[in-house]
Amino acid sequence: GNSVTQMEGPVTLSEEAFLTINCTYTATGYPSLFWYVQYPGEGLQLLLKATKADDKGSNKGFEATYRKETTSFHLEKGSVQVSDSAVYFCALSPPSGGSYIPTFGRGTSLIVHP
Amino acid sequence: NAGVTQTPKFQVLKTGQSMTLQCAQDMNHEYMSWYRQDPGMGLRLIHYSVGAGITDQGEVPNGYNVSRSTTEDFPLRLLSAAPSQTSVYFCASRSGTTNYGYTFGSGTRLTVV
Repeated sequence: GNSVTQMEGPVTLSEEAFLTINCTYTATGYPSLFWYVQYPGEGLQLLLKATKADDKGSNKGFEATYRKETTSFHLEKGSVQVSDSAVYFCALSPPSGGSYIPTFGRGTSLIVHP
Repeated sequence: NAGVTQTPKFQVLKTGQSMTLQCAQDMNHEYMSWYRQDPGMGLRLIHYSVGAGITDQGEVPNGYNVSRSTTEDFPLRLLSAAPSQTSVYFCASRSGTTNYGYTFGSGTRLTVV
């Protein structure tokens, strides 16, 4: 079956530090890959996505590249802010014609200190 | 656009009581899902629907019922609440034709005492 593995948190950084949150996946075919962000007390929001190998998704300074050869989709940001403190979820969605159900990672908490 | 609207935001139930969590979306999305989120457990799928009149069970369906009579609405019913159902519940939807990811509601925080 499909699975998504994220690095365990919390990840604690100082403001302006470089961020990497690792995500690897197991799936058949070519799934679409997503990062969602959940701020305290809110629902998940789509942060970025990539639908095929070597695609780079980007939004709000965050980036992630779809690496088929390493089955990875690591989230990066060059300079984090206190307002980036949240829980980040990596997810995959099966290719068209397969199951409609996405698979989520368990989430990685990010804490950014001033 | 309102997106995905969940009501209520907070609810306290006594063991054995029943209630319905409401979910409505105004984006004409075919797919809708219910998840529960518990500390350390991530998101777990309860039930999902791929269109009006079609529902199916997810990973943790016991104790919950759903129906989908319209495209817009996907209510989740707790038949006889138990303390193990204390959780945060999220409804989500997406288009059936283009996969731009799911839109989530803001959640319902349920406590069963």
